[in-house]
Amino acid sequence: GENVEQHPSTLSVQEGDSAVIKCTYSDSASNYFPWYKQELGKRPQLIIDIRSNVGEKKDQRIAVTLNKTAKHFSLHITETQPEDSAVYFCAAIITGGGNKLTFGTGTQLKVEL
Amino acid sequence: DGGITQSPKYLFRKEGQNVTLSCEQNLNHDAMYWYRQDPGQGLRLIYYSQIVNDFQKGDIAEGYSVSREKKESFPLTVTSAQKNPTAFYLCASSMSPGMDTEAFFGQGTRLTVV
Repeated sequence: GENVEQHPSTLSVQEGDSAVIKCTYSDSASNYFPWYKQELGKRPQLIIDIRSNVGEKKDQRIAVTLNKTAKHFSLHITETQPEDSAVYFCAAIITGGGNKLTFGTGTQLKVEL
Repeated sequence: DGGITQSPKYLFRKEGQNVTLSCEQNLNHDAMYWYRQDPGQGLRLIYYSQIVNDFQKGDIAEGYSVSREKKESFPLTVTSAQKNPTAFYLCASSMSPGMDTEAFFGQGTRLTVV
């Protein structure tokens, strides 16, 4: 079926290093790809999104890349800090029978001092 | 905080009982969603509604029901047919019926079957 796959499930980096999280999707009609951050005990919040008419988008230390041909998109965090520790979710709009905002299974990022 | 509110924060249910989780938003958003969050499984879509008086099944709709009689309200009923209802439930809303705009989440309801 239509879904969004996310890797890795856990990621541990040293403070100051970069972190990369990758997602793939199966619906070729998808055109909106958001990323959400969920800190422990809190609700998910949007950190960045990208639409299919661009290949890359940056916001300070966060960037997202999109490869529509290969159907994958990635989140890049540079100069990681302890406050970046959280669960990150990618998502995509899956069409077919309506537009469904479908999430990946999440990546637990731990930034170690 | 604010904008989308879920209640209660914690809910306990006896086996065989139906329970209803409340979700209200004052953002004037067209689209609303219900997700279930289990450890290691991310956010799984239960039901969604792109416009008032209309809703569609998500990926795990069995054992759940919803209504969308008002734009600001999207209650979720967990029925006795749901075999494993203990989970964290998140409601969200977004401005666009096409769901291609930021989704705002409520603070969640943790349901426990006792």
